[in-house]
Amino acid sequence: DTEVTQTPKHLVMGMTNKKSLKCEQHMGHRAMYWYKQKAKKPPELMFVYSYEKLSINESVPSRFSPECPNSSLLNLHLHALQPEDSALYLCASSHTPRTVGGQGPKFTGELFFGEGSRLTVL
Amino acid sequence: DQQVKQNSPSLSVQEGRISILNCDYTNSMFDYFLWYKKYPAEGPTFLISISSIKDKNEDGRFTVFLNKSAKHLSLHIVPSQPGDSAVYFCAASGGQAGTALIFGKGTTLSVSS
Repeated sequence: DTEVTQTPKHLVMGMTNKKSLKCEQHMGHRAMYWYKQKAKKPPELMFVYSYEKLSINESVPSRFSPECPNSSLLNLHLHALQPEDSALYLCASSHTPRTVGGQGPKFTGELFFGEGSRLTVL
Repeated sequence: DQQVKQNSPSLSVQEGRISILNCDYTNSMFDYFLWYKKYPAEGPTFLISISSIKDKNEDGRFTVFLNKSAKHLSLHIVPSQPGDSAVYFCAASGGQAGTALIFGKGTTLSVSS
């Protein structure tokens, strides 16, 4: 299984709604990521979880709240969003670099991306 | 401050010819460099990567060259095919970003038959 699965594929929400985006992988990856991509722009890093702990938060507004319940799942909770938050939200996962003397897989730098959740905020 | 730069927004090539996509970076702490291909409304698809200790990596029609002294890398696609038409993103990881990828703005490749 070499997939990162994201649900829902499409989400339309009002500015007062609370919703969640979900991401799942079963590749044994211990790093997971949320990216945001607007049209004709590159993916922008939002959050990084490493071994289920938040390791990077790229100054993302608190209306976005990430959660990593276990090593296979990553959620992004959405509350009181603005229309400018409409975008494609991409989840990704990866191995972490092999520690010296460790038995982990060779690290290549590759992140495995899901197909994204297209969010529209009205 | 862009750490990964793709200065050519678009490139047009004829089928069968070579496509060369370029990328520059500023952060000397990057230790992995990758190329991803992306279609609209889909997640990026990994093409090829290179670690900072190498200067060339080849996979089929795709070759990535890294020039660390110039902080420059390029992706060569030979021969180019119409199915290669997509947006190509250069990305890098390492340093403070850890394993997270920092992306360039992308280059739209169009291969005509």
